[in-house]
This record gives sequence, C-alpha cells and structure tokens, in this order.
Amino acid sequence: GEDVEQSLFLSVREGDSSVINCTYTDSSSTYLYWYKQEPGAGLQLLTYIFSNMDMKQDQRLTVLLNKKDKHLSLRIADTQTGDSAIYFCAESRGHTGGFKTIFGAGTRLFVKA
Amino acid sequence: EAGVTQSPTHLIKTRGQQATLRCSPISGHTSVYWYQQALGLGLQFLLWYDEGEERNRGNFPPRFSGRQFPNYSSELNVNALELEDSALYLCASRTGGELFFGEGSRLTVL
Repeated sequence: GEDVEQSLFLSVREGDSSVINCTYTDSSSTYLYWYKQEPGAGLQLLTYIFSNMDMKQDQRLTVLLNKKDKHLSLRIADTQTGDSAIYFCAESRGHTGGFKTIFGAGTRLFVKA
Repeated sequence: EAGVTQSPTHLIKTRGQQATLRCSPISGHTSVYWYQQALGLGLQFLLWYDEGEERNRGNFPPRFSGRQFPNYSSELNVNALELEDSALYLCASRTGGELFFGEGSRLTVL
C-alpha cells in the first residue's frame, strides 16, 4: 500500500514540546519529510531525513526515524503560537528514474497561549 | 533565487468550463509534481513530469491532464470542471532529496 498516516489534531500549551507522529507502509522509502502549511499558504519544507539516518536535529526541530516500525516523529521544542499550522509527513521512494512522494493527511497543531 | 512560482493565484470558473494552471520550477529543477488539496483534506498526488515526459499520474480521471515544456515549466489542465474540483492546486519541483512547493493556485468552481 501507499499509506502515510498521521493523527489529525494536536493541542499543546505555549512553551511545551509538541510531538507529531507519522507511520508509513513502504519499506523502500528513501526520504521522509516534514512540511508546514499555514492558512492559505503553500507547503514549507521544514526538514527531511534520509532513510539511513535515525535522527536529525535542526534548532527547535528533532526528527526521529524508526525504520523497523516505519515510524517518523517531529518534535518541536518550546512550541510557540506561531507554530500553529498543519504539519504534513511525506515519504519519497524511487520510481522510474525519479521519486514519487506520498503525503499524509496532515496534523493540525493548536498552540494555546 | 526564485522559488517555485504558480499562476494564477486564484481562478473562478463555472461547471463545464476548462481551467489551465501554470507552474515554473526552481531554476535547474527538471521534475515537476502537481497535487490537489481539497478543503480540509490532505494532498492528493495528481501528476509528475520529468524531462518533458509524464512519469506517473495519480488516481484522477483523464480530464485532468498536463504537460511539461522544454524550459521545464508545466501546465495543468482540467476539462469539464465539476464542483468537487474546487481545491488548492500545488506544484512542486525537486532536486535530490528536497521537494519545494509553490504557493498554489486556488480554483473555485461555481
């Protein structure tokens, strides 16, 4: 199958950490991504991880990959109200000389002041 | 360096009409992807072009079509518009592992 699954909603308090989880089904995935979408806007690439890595950190963002369980997570430290958005998990796999990318349905993050 | 650009930003059509959306990838990117994001839903893969050829298409009817030009820009055409075609249409281009999106074209079908 080609499913990428995420929980639909997450609510946290400002200053707390947010953890957004994602599962995927294709073990041949090469790249795994996290995108952020603010209202009315396109998708902003936050970070991505190559499938042979298990962790990547970039300022307040930490990505963890458990390849055995096909589980990807995004941790946002010290969550701010500006982090309120929809976060999409995506996975890319090789296909006919290029890459095919499949997205999850997105997790809507609410940050309470 | 300019990012992925899409036009028009907004488009209003009526049922049965045709819509044409355009995308210019980041300079040097040869692959262009089109996605549909209906209101409140995730991204559904539509089409993928690379080096002027259609490489793959998602589960959409044939009235969704497109092409890629020699300069790697791309066009998405939607014929015989239906109300449920109202959505944000996102274009992306990639280099290696990085997939970058434009701001989208919002199509409203009345």
